[in-house]
Parts: sequence; structure tokens; C-alpha cells
Amino acid sequence: NAGVTQTPKFRVLKTGQSMTLLCAQDMNHEYMYWYRQDPGMGLRLIHYSVGEGTTAKGEVPDGYNVSRLKKQNFLLGLESAAPSQTSVYFCASSSLIAGGTDTQYFGPGTRLTVL
Amino acid sequence: AQSVTQLGSHVSVSEGALVLLRCNYSSSVPPYLFWYVQYPNQGLQLLLKYTTGATLVKGINGFEAEFKKSETSFHLTKPSAHMSDAAEYFCAVRPSGGYQKVTFGTGTKLQVIP
Repeated sequence: NAGVTQTPKFRVLKTGQSMTLLCAQDMNHEYMYWYRQDPGMGLRLIHYSVGEGTTAKGEVPDGYNVSRLKKQNFLLGLESAAPSQTSVYFCASSSLIAGGTDTQYFGPGTRLTVL
Repeated sequence: AQSVTQLGSHVSVSEGALVLLRCNYSSSVPPYLFWYVQYPNQGLQLLLKYTTGATLVKGINGFEAEFKKSETSFHLTKPSAHMSDAAEYFCAVRPSGGYQKVTFGTGTKLQVIP
């Protein structure tokens, strides 16, 4: 099992450019999440999904969009990147099946710099 | 609503010394509590978790944490620090029952001095 993978690992954008981050998981998890990590602020939830075809806003959704067309994939889009979106982005997945307690499994992260 | 407070953004210990990382939470319903560890340039991975039952929880790499309801605390300890324990540690909380969002603390960076 690869677990949770993220593409790309690094990216540099200019202000106003767009991009999509791809997250894939092979654990058949129902739930998927996108977080951003900034120094001194811990992890902040951007968007999440409780199943294929459904998404919801998290704590800091502005400037981001998401889609979950397939259960195993969760895409995070930036339509018009801003320097404030410079951050490390983590995808995670979890499951509550069979009495699970929602342990989240994280990808390795994408380091995004917006100039 | 729930929240997590981690006291101390940076903690330094000598190799072989006790590790104590503090976490206090607030939750309106019985919580599930987690500690995650993040090594440099990696994602987070689960160290241990408390759901129900025994309040002293043992995790990987010799870490353990005790759920104290009266103190609303879930402090992480390890009797003897190793150089490989240098990492950032995150406490997290979610309400029990069904699907609920997880709230993470702001993290504590552990430095181990040889």
C-alpha cells in the first residue's frame, strides 16, 4: 500500500496563476481532508469530504476549491494564487468503518511558494 | 466546539531525560484524543490515541499519555529521550460519536540535546 500520496511535492507560482494539487489514497477511506500548515499556527483545515461527490468547507476555505469525483482522489485548486497562500499543504484520509476512531493518515506534503 | 492548547512551542531536553509535552483540551462531549508526530519534511503520523477505557495509553517509540478528565489534560511523556525523538508533536481532539472534525493544536517542537 502506498497510503496517501500527493502531487507535486514542490511548486513555485506567480501571483494570479492557478494550479491543482492532487491527493490519492489506496486505503478505501471515506473521508479526505486538505490542511495547510504555517509556522506557529499548526494545521488548519481548508476543505474536507465525507464521501465521493461531496465536499465541505473547513476553517480557512477562501481562495481554494476542491473536488472529489472518485473516492480515492481529492483535488485542491487555487484559481488565482496569492502570496498569502504560500504554505505547506497536507492531504489526509480516515475511516470510521468497523468502529474506527477516525485516525487520520497523512501524505508527505506539498510545499507551495507564491511569488 | 472543541479546542486544544499545547503549552510551549519549543521544548528542549537532554538525551536520556524525561520528555513531557503538555496538552489541554476543551470539549462539550466526551472526546477522542490523539498525539501525532511530524519528522522534518514529512507528514504527520499517529503516536497514540485515547478513545474509551484505560486512561493511560501507550503508543509507539516508548511514548505514553494519560487522559485526565478532571484536569482536561492529555500530556505526552517518555521516560528517556533519544536523539531520534527530535520532531514536532501535535495534540488533537475530536468529539466522540459518529463523524466529527478533528481540531489540532499548534504543535510543540522537541529538541534533544546530546
